[in-house]
Amino acid sequence: SQQGEEDPQALSIQEGENATMNCSYKTSINNLQWYRQNSGRGLVHLILIRSNEREKHSGRLRVTLDTSKKSSSLLITASRAADTASYFCATGTTDSWGKLQFGAGTQVVVTP
Amino acid sequence: EAGVVQSPRYKIIEKKQPVAFWCNPISGHNTLYWYRQNLGQGPELLIRYENEEAVDDSQLPKDRFSAERLKGVDSTLKIQPAELGDSAVYLCASSPGQGQQETQYFGPGTRLLVL
Repeated sequence: SQQGEEDPQALSIQEGENATMNCSYKTSINNLQWYRQNSGRGLVHLILIRSNEREKHSGRLRVTLDTSKKSSSLLITASRAADTASYFCATGTTDSWGKLQFGAGTQVVVTP
Repeated sequence: EAGVVQSPRYKIIEKKQPVAFWCNPISGHNTLYWYRQNLGQGPELLIRYENEEAVDDSQLPKDRFSAERLKGVDSTLKIQPAELGDSAVYLCASSPGQGQQETQYFGPGTRLLVL
């Protein structure tokens, strides 16, 4: 079973626009991570946010975490064609050391 | 530094045949993971190693799947016999193994097609 659920399942935007995707999860977490997967490739880590953090930035990425709502969001600002990929959230829970549970992902297409 | 290496990248076999996947993690990483990713889904953990010890294999279908990590470095995942439903991408990942909140580094995966 998958802990996280991303919303929307798919997103199509034009270059320069912002892309926002959300992740909801079910149980208490220790941390939440976002990964990107380009077609036919492995996953690449984007950002990790701990359960005691509310917001984190990395370049054009902004991640928020609301533990009361058990949800997180990933914002990509000023999107580029190279941002076309699937984005996954993954949760690390307090009762499972080192184990990540992934959602089904959001497929993002950025058109020039 | 070199990333996680996996081979082969692609494998096509007939059902009931055996197949093996190989993974070389990032140098110095103690923790190694094998995931299975079905089409349109996120990765699901099959087994996790801390050095040479399998510390979480609860999701590994042990009737047909086996894995080993001899000497705590490279790892092999085997399926025997393969079934049609085993068609998926098999991902290997590694992490330093120094804490609970860790980034995992993924290899490119092996895409398996069972006919």
